[in-house]
Amino acid sequence: EVQLVESGGGLVQPGRSLKLSCAASGFTFSNYYMAWVRQAPKKGLEWVATISTSGSRTYYPDSVKGRFTISRDNAKSSLYLQMNSLKSEDTATYYCARRGTDYWGQGVMVTVSS
Amino acid sequence: DVVMTQTPPSLSVAIGQSVSISCKSSQSLVYSDGKTYLHWLLQSSGRSPKRLIYQVSNLDSGVPDRFSGTGSQKDFTLKISRVEAKDLGVYYCAQTTHFPNTFGAGTKLELK
Repeated sequence: EVQLVESGGGLVQPGRSLKLSCAASGFTFSNYYMAWVRQAPKKGLEWVATISTSGSRTYYPDSVKGRFTISRDNAKSSLYLQMNSLKSEDTATYYCARRGTDYWGQGVMVTVSS
Repeated sequence: DVVMTQTPPSLSVAIGQSVSISCKSSQSLVYSDGKTYLHWLLQSSGRSPKRLIYQVSNLDSGVPDRFSGTGSQKDFTLKISRVEAKDLGVYYCAQTTHFPNTFGAGTKLELK
């Protein structure tokens, strides 16, 4: 059974940093592109980042480019999202998603507030 | 960026009715490999999204055949036949052909 379990969320002040983790199991992690998708409270879905199987290629929307970094450790079947210079508009539930859509974690809440 | 226009924003249905949701993209979603990476997701209340259909018309494992997806290029439709209570929630279309990947704004399916 495919499982994706996010961790690392919480309350953080504007301008600070936070790192999210996603532990994957039930599939060969190194064979799949992985992504982070977020959902602001009562809002729709917004893609945040994608990483290739080896980690050599990464993709971001303009809204987070230069502030967020996606990475992975295939030996640990883990995905990460380093979030720097956080803004209030980054407040959302962050989901780890295999190939961007096919399996999703339960999500982790990030609140950016002073 | 590819804009995904999803309509209607909400639908009120009776159990057993059939409904359709439209999703139109601002650009063709056909990738260089000839495949169209348009997908449909359902987010039930308080839950994570779950993919129902991938690449326009392919049902994910365990998804009943009451669900069907059609379309091509820039115009796509999700049809749900004989709606059941467990089908309620917010439906999203999503494209992964182009970066940035983008989602429709969602269609909330509610009971009449």
